Amino acid sequence: DSGVTQTPKHLITATGQRVTLRCSPRSGDLSVYWYQQSLDQGLQFLIQYYNGEERAKGNILERFSAQQFPDLHSELNLSSLELGDSALYFCASSVGAGAAEQFFGPGTRLTVL
Amino acid sequence: AQSVTQPDIHITVSEGASLELRCNYSYGATPYLFWYVQSPGQGLQLLLKYFSGDTLVQGIKGFEAEFKRSQSSFNLRKPSVHWSDAAEYFCAVGAQDSGYALNFGKGTSLLVTP
Repeated sequence: DSGVTQTPKHLITATGQRVTLRCSPRSGDLSVYWYQQSLDQGLQFLIQYYNGEERAKGNILERFSAQQFPDLHSELNLSSLELGDSALYFCASSVGAGAAEQFFGPGTRLTVL
Repeated sequence: AQSVTQPDIHITVSEGASLELRCNYSYGATPYLFWYVQSPGQGLQLLLKYFSGDTLVQGIKGFEAEFKRSQSSFNLRKPSVHWSDAAEYFCAVGAQDSGYALNFGKGTSLLVTP
């Protein structure tokens, strides 16, 4: 158990819908990273937050957004969902914003029908 | 462009045999290197990391990796594989100029035969 929690574990929804994925980092970690894992793209970095502020952006679509709250939990919002958004979404946390190991949550499996 | 390459998509080894999984990277800045393992239906578990110092690093579950700057490689090794090592292995690289977000290789799937 990494100490990073993600809810829900599974999510099934329809095209055009909007969903919210939630992540709670390890106690004491200030950074949260979101990654997407799909069969064709592999593991891709989406976005990073550090202590409530957006820190870095990767291959995140405009339909996707995220935020980190004062209690440091983070939410990833996916809207206007398409079939291709079906993937495993991971959250990871680290103690700081610099070079540090990232601890991954169990992931949320999103299926868009 | 920054990239991480794991040349072997699948590897099969016999239980008790040695293992080496290859990882090559292309980065302008000094990279921070990681190996993660993912069992079916599970999240990613960190096996080991290299930030600086001794180029041979020890990790969990008996794994080790060697950083070779001249070859831009960070290969993962284990002297004797156990059936429970069957999983997907990912090499990942982070760098300051990309905010330390991890850039992952495509992964190597390890099958262990009796």
